[in-house]
Amino acid sequence: ETGVTQTPRHLVMGMTNKKSLKCEQHLGHNAMYWYKQSAKKPLELMFVYSLEERVENNSVPSRFSPECPNSSHLFLHLHTLQPEDSALYLCASSPFEWNQPQHFGDGTRLSIL
Amino acid sequence: QKEVEQNSGPLSVPEGAIASLNCTYSDRGSQSFFWYRQYSGKSPELIMFIYSNGDKEDGRFTAQLNKASQYVSLLIRDSQPSDSATYLCAVTPSRAGGTSYGKLTFGQGTILTVHP
Repeated sequence: ETGVTQTPRHLVMGMTNKKSLKCEQHLGHNAMYWYKQSAKKPLELMFVYSLEERVENNSVPSRFSPECPNSSHLFLHLHTLQPEDSALYLCASSPFEWNQPQHFGDGTRLSIL
Repeated sequence: QKEVEQNSGPLSVPEGAIASLNCTYSDRGSQSFFWYRQYSGKSPELIMFIYSNGDKEDGRFTAQLNKASQYVSLLIRDSQPSDSATYLCAVTPSRAGGTSYGKLTFGQGTILTVHP
């Protein structure tokens, strides 16, 4: 596989469930990102990992918990989510430089019942 | 003032025309500018990017930077119905310089419709 792969593509969960989103990049990049995209709003950066170390956490509620076990994999653990958390969650990766473009996965469409 | 601002549109152009998309940014020190295309229900796809040292042309697409007025534009020549999508502008803020990762600020996107 090439590029950035996200699973699952769609997820429906209740507010009391626990689930995880997975992202895998095959581009040899060193930085990985989680974004949230809601309708009619700009992409919101949630977390950034650089060389497996979390370098940014943009005031994201603790019900979202990221994990980066190595430079190719990124997880977003979800628990006790709220209806307003329903959105498209996008993973991206980029090289180890600040001015290079980010490449996105296909996203996970999350719906909270 | 929003950091990166785009007219949400929709911008409607006839097939074969030039589509002009604009994006203004507030951080005067920004040095990297990116254009992404996002089809409905899909993820953003990088079209092209430029740095503060010049414009770029790639096939039917041209990205231009006006540093004095702090806006970047994307021109699409010979527009096709397949170009119909939301176009996202992203800017690297000046404070990101020297970090080991990207830090993009996105606009809300412009919806482009190319009609036959």
